[in-house]
Amino acid sequence: GESVGLHLPTLSVQEGDNSIINCAYSNSASDYFIWYKQESGKGPQFIIDIRSNMDKRQGQRVTVLLNKTVKHLSLQIAATQPGDSAVYFCAENILTGNQFYFGTGTSLTVIP
Amino acid sequence: DSGVTQTPKHLITATGQRVTLRCSPRSGDLSVYWYQQSLDQGLQFLIQYYNGEERAKGNILERFSAQQFPDLHSELNLSSLELGDSALYFCASSAQLGYGYTFGSGTRLTVV
Repeated sequence: GESVGLHLPTLSVQEGDNSIINCAYSNSASDYFIWYKQESGKGPQFIIDIRSNMDKRQGQRVTVLLNKTVKHLSLQIAATQPGDSAVYFCAENILTGNQFYFGTGTSLTVIP
Repeated sequence: DSGVTQTPKHLITATGQRVTLRCSPRSGDLSVYWYQQSLDQGLQFLIQYYNGEERAKGNILERFSAQQFPDLHSELNLSSLELGDSALYFCASSAQLGYGYTFGSGTRLTVV
């Protein structure tokens, strides 16, 4: 399978601070990326996606940055809240392949 | 509720047994994907179906099989179960190939 890795397995931030979760991918042919959030006991939930023709995409309190040169993806969460505590996965896809390959996840803990 | 329904939510069975996990995709979604999530592991892609036909296989063991029925629901069959098969099994669906998935809440399988 593909190799999608995360730099940090755990991250703790103070409530109100910004969070940055990083992800490295190995396949330069990957052209579609998604960040998922998984809360305890639940299935992964779509947060934001980005295609390879973009280097930045913003959502509500979240921003995804894509650097294709170094095959790096990051998720920025602004004003982190306790409800943001979860495991975050990046996933890569080659559109002709149809399957997403997931990293092992980063556990984000928000300290009140 | 994501719209993807998985049953049962929990399953406990003995080694050597066979179980069937069921997934109903979100209304209108033609693609169904099965993933396995073991403790401390990311999501491992098992198999994908599109409109009743197998589209792709990932790290699926020969003891495992799946199918998608005309009404688009899918079943994952796990046989000759081993302790190492204990995991969360997720089903996801998507409307179009190469777009983000919607995940179900998973089936937690415990093999004793």
